[in-house]
Amino acid sequence: AQRVTQPEKLLSVFKGAPVELKCNYSYSGSPELFWYVQYSRQRLQLLLRHISRESIKGFTADLNKGETSFHLKKPFAQEEDSAMYYCALRRSSGDKLTFGTGTRLAVRP
Amino acid sequence: GAGVSQSPSNKVTEKGKDVELRCDPISGHTALYWYRQSLGQGLEFLIYFQGNSAPDKSGLPSDRFSAERTGGSVSTLTIQRTQQEDSAVYLCASSLARTGAHGYTFGSGTRLTVV
Repeated sequence: AQRVTQPEKLLSVFKGAPVELKCNYSYSGSPELFWYVQYSRQRLQLLLRHISRESIKGFTADLNKGETSFHLKKPFAQEEDSAMYYCALRRSSGDKLTFGTGTRLAVRP
Repeated sequence: GAGVSQSPSNKVTEKGKDVELRCDPISGHTALYWYRQSLGQGLEFLIYFQGNSAPDKSGLPSDRFSAERTGGSVSTLTIQRTQQEDSAVYLCASSLARTGAHGYTFGSGTRLTVV
């Protein structure tokens, strides 16, 4: 069965510092990977998808099939980035999303 | 509607009672998903609907849990004889098509507390 691992429950950085939220997955095929974000008192929302190869709010994520990783990165963290971040995997289009346990990012001024 | 609507937003119930949680997806969204969010557990998949049928109900934790969807729209998640371990935030999400190519749109959830 597929599995998503986010090893850090909490990541605390200072404003302006680089951020890397780790995500590793286990699945033998070619999955689709996503990052979702939940800001305080807001709904869970899509941040980015690996197939789009886009940068959203300064965040990027590259799928590394060799290391089975999809780490989320931002070169300079902002206070408004403080939120809960979830990595998710989908085996194929039409399948359900499998989520990791989430990492809380706290950006200090 | 403008977004995915869930009701009630909070529910406190006594152990052993039945509860019904409602999800009203975005109009026209054919796929609907239920997840459970527990502290430290991430989001646990429960069941998925395409239209009114449920091709994947593999995440329902026991036969006390059931869900239905009518008219390709509103869905109800029912938990019978609630237990304390059922306490969690129950999230509903919908997507335009089975592929969910643009991701899911989540509701704000129902926080269930079983006392």
